[in-house]
Amino acid sequence: GAGVSQTPSNKVTEKGKYVELRCDPISGHTALYWYRQSLGQGPEFLIYFQGTGAADDSGLPNDRFFAVRPEGSVSTLKIQRTERGDSAVYLCASSLSTTGSGYTFGSGTRLTVV
Amino acid sequence: SQQGEEDPQALSIQEGENATMNCSYKTSINNLQWYRQNSGRGLVHLILIRSNEREKHSGRLRVTLDTSKKSSSLLITASRAADTASYFCATDAIGGSQGNLIFGKGTKLSVKP
Repeated sequence: GAGVSQTPSNKVTEKGKYVELRCDPISGHTALYWYRQSLGQGPEFLIYFQGTGAADDSGLPNDRFFAVRPEGSVSTLKIQRTERGDSAVYLCASSLSTTGSGYTFGSGTRLTVV
Repeated sequence: SQQGEEDPQALSIQEGENATMNCSYKTSINNLQWYRQNSGRGLVHLILIRSNEREKHSGRLRVTLDTSKKSSSLLITASRAADTASYFCATDAIGGSQGNLIFGKGTKLSVKP
């Protein structure tokens, strides 16, 4: 597609529920990234994929968070047993390579845990 | 953890004036990037400057990088109301994960018509 597409754009869920956030990167972009942004803060790294594999998942806050990219294109960020502190905007980005090029970000998914 | 720190946190100027935002970071880097964000949603990549470059231009944007001081500045000349947004610097640290950009907290720029 023309840009990075994230769905849903907004998600409200109850504490303890499971959620999935989807990212559809730019066609041909091998690198895909997930970031999380809280109000008034800059984005914080969660995980990045090179192709199908997670090259770095050091930013995932705990084992309730998991992400997959089974065919090297679309990625899903999964959050189990959501907590109110998980409320944030989840941003996905993609790029042709990880070095020397800027990232193209999607519009994000605003997750609210009530 | 956030290694970049932008200053000022907020900046308000009149249309036509220049806006300068600064960024400081802590560790040695491969490159530094600047992004713009409107309304707290998707970020737009503005410019990337490599660690061996000192200055770069793109349209009304001018970015400088001083690796000895671990700092960068973003200058927007002849600002427009449409430049109103938050601006973030982001770095990838040498020795760190190549896919892990570290963002600062951003500068909120307001350009009044």
